[in-house]
Amino acid sequence: RKEVEQDPGPFNVPEGATVAFNCTYSNSASQSFFWYRQDCRKEPKLLMSVYSSGNEDGRFTAQLNRASQYISLLIRDSKLSDSATYLCVVNNGGRRALTFGSGTRLQVQP
Amino acid sequence: ETGVTQTPRHLVMGMTNKKSLKCEQHLGHNAMYWYKQSAKKPLELMFVYSLEERVENNSVPSRFSPECPNSSHLFLHLHTLQPEDSALYLCASSQDPGQGAADTQYFGPGTRLTVL
Repeated sequence: RKEVEQDPGPFNVPEGATVAFNCTYSNSASQSFFWYRQDCRKEPKLLMSVYSSGNEDGRFTAQLNRASQYISLLIRDSKLSDSATYLCVVNNGGRRALTFGSGTRLQVQP
Repeated sequence: ETGVTQTPRHLVMGMTNKKSLKCEQHLGHNAMYWYKQSAKKPLELMFVYSLEERVENNSVPSRFSPECPNSSHLFLHLHTLQPEDSALYLCASSQDPGQGAADTQYFGPGTRLTVL
């Protein structure tokens, strides 16, 4: 089983749509969780950290379910500029290093 | 953003060449990382330096050799690489909080390496 698993997509959605991504992780000892965004041929950039109580940043909402070991990202009112690959990131089993999922590709269409 | 810089941005080298990638962070962080990103594969951690000491090495081939002279600079020395080593090499830095947690990592723009 992969340490961090994501549906690769692509998710093709119209502007204004709401889209949700899920991610599962295998190590129950993981402590830190993040969503990163990566544009084509660019470096990953932090979108948001994911907290146990869930957190929201504008149109983006992240949730963590420790019992089921999954993380979700909800994007409301999608914009063309949201088109990118979204990476689920976990610190694996309490180690310093982060483990990245393969990413979910989102394409928002006009 | 200039928090983490990498040079060169693009590099083409033959299998017998020796080259070095450079990374510099201006964020006051105490940990730096090298990652490899190949096409259609997730980021692979290569090396971690925390407080200038290498703390993890994920069985990377010896043709890749890291060097961390201080907390702001990180190098990746390359020699006798193979064509399959062609990839985007990303440097990142973070503030290591210790105790098994991991703080946000900030990435440089990467060096796109092609090995002929």
